[in-house]
Amino acid sequence: DSGVTQTPKHLITATGQRVTLRCSPRSGDLSVYWYQQSLDQGLQFLIQYYNGEERAKGNILERFSAQQFPDLHSELNLSSLELGDSALYFCASSVEVRGEAFFGQGTRLTVV
Amino acid sequence: QKEVEQDPGPLSVPEGAIVSLNCTYSNSAFQYFMWYRQYSRKGPELLMYTYSSGNKEDGRFTAQVDKSSKYISLFIRDSQPSDSATYLCAGGGTSGSARQLTFGSGTQLTVLP
Repeated sequence: DSGVTQTPKHLITATGQRVTLRCSPRSGDLSVYWYQQSLDQGLQFLIQYYNGEERAKGNILERFSAQQFPDLHSELNLSSLELGDSALYFCASSVEVRGEAFFGQGTRLTVV
Repeated sequence: QKEVEQDPGPLSVPEGAIVSLNCTYSNSAFQYFMWYRQYSRKGPELLMYTYSSGNKEDGRFTAQVDKSSKYISLFIRDSQPSDSATYLCAGGGTSGSARQLTFGSGTQLTVLP
């Protein structure tokens, strides 16, 4: 158990809908990363937050947004969902802006 | 060109063999590197973290970084069937695009009993 908690574990939703994925980092970690992993692709970096501030941004779609709250948990919002958004979404956390990053077990999103 | 290149395999070895997994990277701003193990699309598990060139050993695992040639390796000694998984390398840093922790595509390893 890495100490990073993601909810829900599974999510099935229809095209056009909006969902929110939640991540609780390890105790004491200030940095949160979000990644997408599709069947035919590796881990694609979406966005990183550090202590509530956006730190780095990858190829995150405009339909996707994220934030980190004062208690350091983070949420990834996915809207106007398309079939191609079906993937595993992972959250990771680290103590600082760099360094060892520990992953949660992911949220498996299926868009039908 | 991807910033981190990794041979996808699959790689199949007999139990007890020494396994060598390799990655190359192109981003000179990478300062640190990590190796992860991922079972069947579960959450990646951190195996090794290295910050400087050279070797780092932890049990059966040795991570090697050569920043001059932008080459990183993971060696697994006395491999076990339970080591069968996908292995991911990653690089990161504190400036520019290196702030993204960037992953290779993973090497699928099977250790045969």
